[in-house]
Amino acid sequence: DAGVTQSPTHLIKTRGQHVTLRCSPISGHKSVSWYQQVLGQGPQFIFQYYEKEERGRGNFPDRFSARQFPNYSSELNVNALLLGDSALYLCASSLPGQSVLANEKLFFGSGTQLSVL
Amino acid sequence: GESVGLHLPTLSVQEGDNSIINCAYSNSASDYFIWYKQESGKGPQFIIDIRSNMDKRQGQRVTVLLNKTVKHLSLQIAATQPGDSAVYFCAENQEYGNKLVFGAGTILRVKS
Repeated sequence: DAGVTQSPTHLIKTRGQHVTLRCSPISGHKSVSWYQQVLGQGPQFIFQYYEKEERGRGNFPDRFSARQFPNYSSELNVNALLLGDSALYLCASSLPGQSVLANEKLFFGSGTQLSVL
Repeated sequence: GESVGLHLPTLSVQEGDNSIINCAYSNSASDYFIWYKQESGKGPQFIIDIRSNMDKRQGQRVTVLLNKTVKHLSLQIAATQPGDSAVYFCAENQEYGNKLVFGAGTILRVKS
């Protein structure tokens, strides 16, 4: 079975540009979360989507947005890129649970390494 | 804000020895904890989890211990192997859903 897949694997952008990162969850998973991991730190929560609706948002500016499609894949968009946005962007999906409020195991993809020059 | 932290940034162990990675958390309301392993160029890989109504949980060669009194979490790896070399993160779920708060990570180096 395929795990969480993300594209592209690497991306180089310049300041002020816009970027779209894509994620396909594990088949059957309905919840997708996005995390940002700066070098040398643990991942930081950005968004959670469940059944195509935003269910949680971390402390990130409005330049960050996301959406989930009917097939449960997801996109993360970042506008007006800053040098500080350089990071590994991780997508994670979770097992279908009885409630979005339940704690569930997260399965991560390998991430998209974004470099902003 | 509240956060999860690790005591030791780097741990070096001899192959075959047991490893213990420690983690302190500050949010007493957290009720779900997870350990992840991250190898270079890869995303975090789930190792083991534990809920706050448990003190100990065992997996294959791994054991997680939770001490709610002192808000401490540990990961024990038995018979550490070279393939265990990675960065290990503890994470806590402070709210509903999947908003995990990760610690900074501990580097585990296994010497052959």
